[in-house]
Amino acid sequence: QLQLQESGPGLVKPSETLSLTCTVSGGSIISSSYYWGWIRQSPGKGLEWIGSVYYGGSTYYNPSLKSRVTMFVDTSKNQFSLKLSSVTAADTAVYYCAGETVTTPLVWFDPWGQGTLVTVSS
Amino acid sequence: DIQMTQSPSSLSASVGDRVTITCRASQSISTYLNWYQQKPGKAPKLLISAASSLQNGVPSRFSGSGSGTDFTLTISSLQVEDFATYYCQHSYSIPPYTFGQGTKLEIK
Repeated sequence: QLQLQESGPGLVKPSETLSLTCTVSGGSIISSSYYWGWIRQSPGKGLEWIGSVYYGGSTYYNPSLKSRVTMFVDTSKNQFSLKLSSVTAADTAVYYCAGETVTTPLVWFDPWGQGTLVTVSS
Repeated sequence: DIQMTQSPSSLSASVGDRVTITCRASQSISTYLNWYQQKPGKAPKLLISAASSLQNGVPSRFSGSGSGTDFTLTISSLQVEDFATYYCQHSYSIPPYTFGQGTKLEIK
């Protein structure tokens, strides 16, 4: 059974870069069945899809965040990562990683990691 | 971007009630619509994909319907464990994949 677990700093200073990693267990990140996605949840904006990455390296991002987002996969560690630059208080949220099943054009997110709270504050 | 609007935003109901939650898309999305359940402090859980396909292990009291712009999630007989927040999410066309704002289902 596929399981995902987020890790990374819980506190990031304004203007710095938020970095999170998601470790996949119970299966290989090298899978044609999944993209690997990041979704965040804040009280003000609800659930927001940030973007997704394929094990081969292809990515697609939410246009609203695209200029600040980078995602990549480390197949040797069965992990994928998110970097969000120039953060502000508006980026404070619970960040989830998720397996993204793509049966074009239908896309759904399952499973999800437990989520990690990232607070942007000096 | 396609906007997803859920109604109501919150709902009080009793165990055994039949409950319907609505999700409306700002443009037609065919049946590219998924439903999730989220309990406090937990990640969302996929309930239904493609508007009406129940995921493995999800109780049959949950059902989904709709196409185009209007969709519904129905719980036929509420159980205690169903009190949670429910979200819809579309995947029509190109990203971004947007979620509804959520419907919080509370015990009356």
